[in-house]
Amino acid sequence: SAVISQKPSRDICQRGTSLTIQCQVDSQVTMMFWYRQQPGQSLTLIATANQGSEATYESGFVIDKFPISRPNLTFSTLTVSNMSPEDSSIYLCSVRTKPYEQYFGPGTRLTVT
Amino acid sequence: KQEVTQIPAALSVPEGENLVLNCSFTDSAIYNLQWFRQDPGKGLTSLLLIQSSQREQTSGRLNASLDKSSGRSTLYIAASQPGDSATYLCAVPSGSARQLTFGSGTQLTVLP
Repeated sequence: SAVISQKPSRDICQRGTSLTIQCQVDSQVTMMFWYRQQPGQSLTLIATANQGSEATYESGFVIDKFPISRPNLTFSTLTVSNMSPEDSSIYLCSVRTKPYEQYFGPGTRLTVT
Repeated sequence: KQEVTQIPAALSVPEGENLVLNCSFTDSAIYNLQWFRQDPGKGLTSLLLIQSSQREQTSGRLNASLDKSSGRSTLYIAASQPGDSATYLCAVPSGSARQLTFGSGTQLTVLP
């Protein structure tokens, strides 16, 4: 299993600003994922972040809007840039252990006003 | 493209009742299937992972079954309690990178 922490747990931000979300895992993992969950919706994958390579973004998500860092095997950040109210969501970090089992962090609840 | 469907979307039961949540998937060539629980505004808690070679997996009052050939999984909750109230999501790895594809969830309310 894996224990994942995220910071901040929630935030209220103004339109046009940026927020960086941190994800820390208690063990070394190769694959980390960032998801978004809009109100009343299921989870949507934003990107896959592997250490030592550029993040791979899903259709509809771009690096300029959601830059990701993955400096080592236990840590990653997701930045939500130039925020608008439509970015109000829960952002979730996830890691994959073997074999193809995923664990999720507690989420960051973002409200953009 | 893999699609995952969960029914019902919402379910309300009295405490003590046994219940079944359903999950179906369109591509039966799955590696495994994972059930999660999500409390309001929170992250996901992994409940059970059932491998493609397994037919069932149990944890406490929870039992998950898998029928790959028919593209279905069920989550059985025995003797439900108010603390079981949450949204239950199923997910399967799909695509070349085995990204999880989620169902839309079943929102369960257990009434005291």
